[in-house]
Amino acid sequence: AQSVTQPDIHITVSEGASLELRCNYSYGATPYLFWYVQSPGQGLQLLLKYFSGDTLVQGIKGFEAEFKRSQSSFNLRKPSVHWSDAAEYFCAVASISGSARQLTFGSGTQLTVLP
Amino acid sequence: DAGVTQSPTHLIKTRGQQVTLRCSPKSGHDTVSWYQQALGQGPQFIFQYYEEEERQRGNFPDRFSGHQFPNYSSELNVNALLLGDSALYLCASSLDTDTQYFGPGTRLTVL
Repeated sequence: AQSVTQPDIHITVSEGASLELRCNYSYGATPYLFWYVQSPGQGLQLLLKYFSGDTLVQGIKGFEAEFKRSQSSFNLRKPSVHWSDAAEYFCAVASISGSARQLTFGSGTQLTVLP
Repeated sequence: DAGVTQSPTHLIKTRGQQVTLRCSPKSGHDTVSWYQQALGQGPQFIFQYYEEEERQRGNFPDRFSGHQFPNYSSELNVNALLLGDSALYLCASSLDTDTQYFGPGTRLTVL
């Protein structure tokens, strides 16, 4: 069965500092990977996705993620964090069962940004 | 272009009651998936509807049921509510198996 691990429950960075959020997945086939962001009390917004091809993918709001098959990782990065980036971040892997594709999420990383 | 919409925003019920949550997919999307997000956790897949049929189901009891209408909108029904059903219920829409886009969610509180 597929699974996603986000090792860091909570990360605190200063505004303007760089950011890396870790994600490790377990899936038997080629994974489809996603990063979503959730502000308090809100739904999930898609930041970026990886299906195939270039292992470095660019997303919205200046985020990027790198797929490393050898490490089963899909870490999210941003060179300079803004106060508005404070939110919870979820990594997810899509699995195919029959004709359906469902998402399996990690438990999330809460990001706090200090002024 | 309207995104995924859900109603109601918040809901308070008591144990044993039944609840219906509603979802309208993003324009052009034909598939609706439902997820439950308990406090402090990641979303968990409940089921997915496509062409008005349940195509895939996660590890949830039969108390959770759903429906998809010809206009692709969907309902999630939960019977015999338990305290543990308190959560944020998220609807996601997609074009078949493509990327899922989420609505703002419905916060259900069971007292």
